[in-house]
Amino acid sequence: AQSVAQPEDQVNVAEGNPLTVKCTYSVSGNPYLFWYVQYPNRGLQFLLKYITGDNLVKGSYGFEAEFNKSQTSFHLKKPSALVSDSALYFCAVRAPRASGGATNKLIFGTGTLLAVQP
Amino acid sequence: GAVVSQHPSWVICKSGTSVKIECRSLDFQATTMFWYRQFPKQSLMLMATSNEGSKATYEQGVEKDKFLINHASLTLSTLTVTSAHPEDSSFYICSAKPINGKNTGELFFGEGSRLTVL
Repeated sequence: AQSVAQPEDQVNVAEGNPLTVKCTYSVSGNPYLFWYVQYPNRGLQFLLKYITGDNLVKGSYGFEAEFNKSQTSFHLKKPSALVSDSALYFCAVRAPRASGGATNKLIFGTGTLLAVQP
Repeated sequence: GAVVSQHPSWVICKSGTSVKIECRSLDFQATTMFWYRQFPKQSLMLMATSNEGSKATYEQGVEKDKFLINHASLTLSTLTVTSAHPEDSSFYICSAKPINGKNTGELFFGEGSRLTVL
């Protein structure tokens, strides 16, 4: 079965320090991977995606993620954290289609709360 | 990016009444929309896939008679929580994937609708 794991419920980092939010996946076929961010009582905002191409993907607000096929990981990173980055982050994968490619159905991880201290 | 609008953003209702939540794609068309439910501090649970012009596809364990979905046009899907009870209180989020020019692979999410059943 397809799944996404975010091993950390919460990540704490000081403002200005680099941050990493971890994500590993289990999916048959080539993964279509995404990161979304959610602020309190709001919907999800798209940050970045990996579908094919370069393993290092750059996205919104200075975030980037590295696709590592051998480790089945897609960790989210940012060189210098801001207090305004504090939010709930979700890793997601599109469920594969039996005939190849992926469906439009997203499977989400459990989310990681990022807390950036001033 | 593409814009998805949900209405209402907040709703409080009495137990036993029905509540309708609308999900609109404002600047694109979508043959498929997705409805998610999110409990406090938890991940998003896919409830159903809304298909324009046909019946919705429900995930296992989701009561289709309880959560009525209608996808009447390429820009509107509605979720009706029938005979709502306090345990239906939750944050409901819709998402959609453009079928035309704004289709870049990711889903776009609405801002969510907070339902509180008294």
